[in-house]
Amino acid sequence: DAKTTQPTSMDCAEGRAANLPCNHSTISGNEYVYWYRQIHSQGPQYIIHGLKNNETNEMASLIITEDRKSSTLILPHATLRDTAVYYCIVRVAMDNQGGKLIFGQGTELSVKP
Amino acid sequence: DAGITQSPRHKVTETGTPVTLRCHQTENHRYMYWYRQDPGHGLRLIHYSYGVKDTDKGEVSDGYSVSRSKTEDFLLTLESATSSQTSVYFCAISDLPGRMNTEAFFGQGTRLTVV
Repeated sequence: DAKTTQPTSMDCAEGRAANLPCNHSTISGNEYVYWYRQIHSQGPQYIIHGLKNNETNEMASLIITEDRKSSTLILPHATLRDTAVYYCIVRVAMDNQGGKLIFGQGTELSVKP
Repeated sequence: DAGITQSPRHKVTETGTPVTLRCHQTENHRYMYWYRQDPGHGLRLIHYSYGVKDTDKGEVSDGYSVSRSKTEDFLLTLESATSSQTSVYFCAISDLPGRMNTEAFFGQGTRLTVV
């Protein structure tokens, strides 16, 4: 699996957009980009995923660069409840090999009033 | 919420004793995972399964074994627990990427203390 690089921590003002970057320069053509977050000691929660195109759902937007070597997760209007550790993961789509799901260190996002 | 249950939720055991943690799913997902989480290390994959009786090692598999005799259950066994295995253990399930609803769902975690 391709490795990902994320900043260790970031701050964001409440109500502003939070933009969390992820570098995955060794990503392969058959690998998806997934984002999860973990709040306190709860189990991680899925946010969004994509392959090539930008994606949006009710939680966030995912912007993937044209060369797919990096991506940005956007929380459009961050709230205090978005304070969490955010993980960017790449995952192959092939059978069996697609199973391995490796988490890096993630970015600790602090949303401040 | 996805149908995934971990048991027990909390356990205290003595060094050298065997311990088995159970993960049960009702989603019929192909993949099941065991992770441990320790301060300063994030989530680390112990073992995962890609089908009944099909398992593979993760990043930190030493001292752990797993079994999956049916789709819905994935067991994690510490043959002889050590204090270094004190941790919070998470189970997760997912289906193949590229399909609908392929995100991983996580259980609530099991806090294991080895004294």
